Amino acid sequence: DGGITQSPKYLFRKEGQNVTLSCEQNLNHDAMYWYRQDPGQGLRLIYYSQIVNDFQKGDIAEGYSVSREKKESFPLTVTSAQKNPTAFYLCASSIWVRGRNEQFFGPGTRLTVL
Amino acid sequence: GDSVTQMEGPVTLSEEAFLTINCTYTATGYPSLFWYVQYPGEGLQLLLKATKADDKGSNKGFEATYRKETTSFHLEKGSVQVSDSAVYFCALSDFGGTGFQKLVFGTGTRLLVSP
Repeated sequence: DGGITQSPKYLFRKEGQNVTLSCEQNLNHDAMYWYRQDPGQGLRLIYYSQIVNDFQKGDIAEGYSVSREKKESFPLTVTSAQKNPTAFYLCASSIWVRGRNEQFFGPGTRLTVL
Repeated sequence: GDSVTQMEGPVTLSEEAFLTINCTYTATGYPSLFWYVQYPGEGLQLLLKATKADDKGSNKGFEATYRKETTSFHLEKGSVQVSDSAVYFCALSDFGGTGFQKLVFGTGTRLLVSP
């Protein structure tokens, strides 16, 4: 079955540690996205990538980094510079559908900083 | 910039009640509008969408009509079920170029349906 996988589902880290969240898709989508979800704030865009080896900052990129070495993979690193990293992280991908993109989401990773 | 405003929750209903979740938007162009649903502990699933004014999106008994004159996209369902309990997000798309769709989300509305 085609889809987006994120791992792990739950992640715990100590303050000061970097951590990498995995996102893989087998939908052959060109564009991929990372969002952060906090209670009562909806989703906010962290980074996005339209094509391999290219990515752009979203609205809240500080303290995060990404890479896009393969079309199917878009890992997100939460660095120690991120002041409040505890959140639910969602990865998405998209392809044009009749001229209008439609984003598909993964199941998410819940990150907790201890 | 573009924005989406949703009614605050939780919305608490009994099974078979009528559901309305209000959503209004602000956009400079002609965005597409979406409703996503998130079940507990899961990612978002696209529920329905509308790409131009007066379009009606529908899926699983849910409907929403793109009203350009009132900049609204209210979600409705005639008879809710316990299994509809979830968080519903209204969103609009803002196109930054070929292949890229930036989604702007509302804050979400939690729906709780009791038997």
